[in-house]
Amino acid sequence: GQQVMQIPQYQHVQEGEDFTTYCNSSTTLSNIQWYKQRPGGHPVFLIQLVKSGEVKKQKRLTFQFGEAKKNSSLHITATQTTDVGTYFCAGHGNNFNKFYFGSGTKLNVKP
Amino acid sequence: AAGVIQSPRHLIKEKRETATLKCYPIPRHDTVYWYQQGPGQDPQFLISFYEKMQSDKGSIPDRFSAQQFSDYHSELNMSSLELGDSALYFCASTRSGAVNTEAFFGQGTRLTVV
Repeated sequence: GQQVMQIPQYQHVQEGEDFTTYCNSSTTLSNIQWYKQRPGGHPVFLIQLVKSGEVKKQKRLTFQFGEAKKNSSLHITATQTTDVGTYFCAGHGNNFNKFYFGSGTKLNVKP
Repeated sequence: AAGVIQSPRHLIKEKRETATLKCYPIPRHDTVYWYQQGPGQDPQFLISFYEKMQSDKGSIPDRFSAQQFSDYHSELNMSSLELGDSALYFCASTRSGAVNTEAFFGQGTRLTVV
C-alpha cells in the first residue's frame, strides 16, 4: 500500500542552524501538506503544495514539491527555539478519500 | 471558527474494558479519519469514513470498530482494551470534492489503559 516516509526521524540543531526534512511517497500524490505538532499538542496545518515543482515560502520556512509529485522537503533557515516540534508531511493519493501521513521528523533546537 | 471536537479529552480504562471515543467534524466536512499516536510515535492511520461509509482501513485491530452517523460525527468503539492501546487518538476531518482541502485535527483523546 501507499507509504509516506520522512527522514531524518530526529534532528538536533543549535539555534541559528538550518534544518531540512525530506518526505518521500511510494506513489504519486495529488498534493502535499505539512503539519507541525508541538509537544503535547495536535498536528496543525502549515501549508499545502499542489503543482509539480512548486516552491512556497513562509518567513524562514521553504517548502518544495518534487517534479514527480512523490517527494517534498521542508527547510527552516536559522532555527529558533520556537521551531521545536514534530513536522509531518501528508498527502492525498489519487483517491481523495485516502490521506497519508508521513512518519514525522522531530526537531529539537538547543538555545 | 468551529474546530474538530473530540470527546472525552482524557479517558482511563482498565484492561478488558470498552471505550467509546467521539469525533465531531467541522461543519460541511464529510470525511473523517482516525489516527492512533503512541508515545513518541507518528500518527498511525486507523480508519476513515466518507459520507457515512467506510472509505479506507488502516492498522485498526479487530477489537476496534467505528462508524459515521447521519450528522457526520464519528465514534470509535474499542473493546477488550489492552495496555498497548494507551495512546493519543486523533480524528481529522476534510471536505471531499473540494480538491486539495486541508485536514483539521481535533485535540485528541488521551486513552490510558491500566
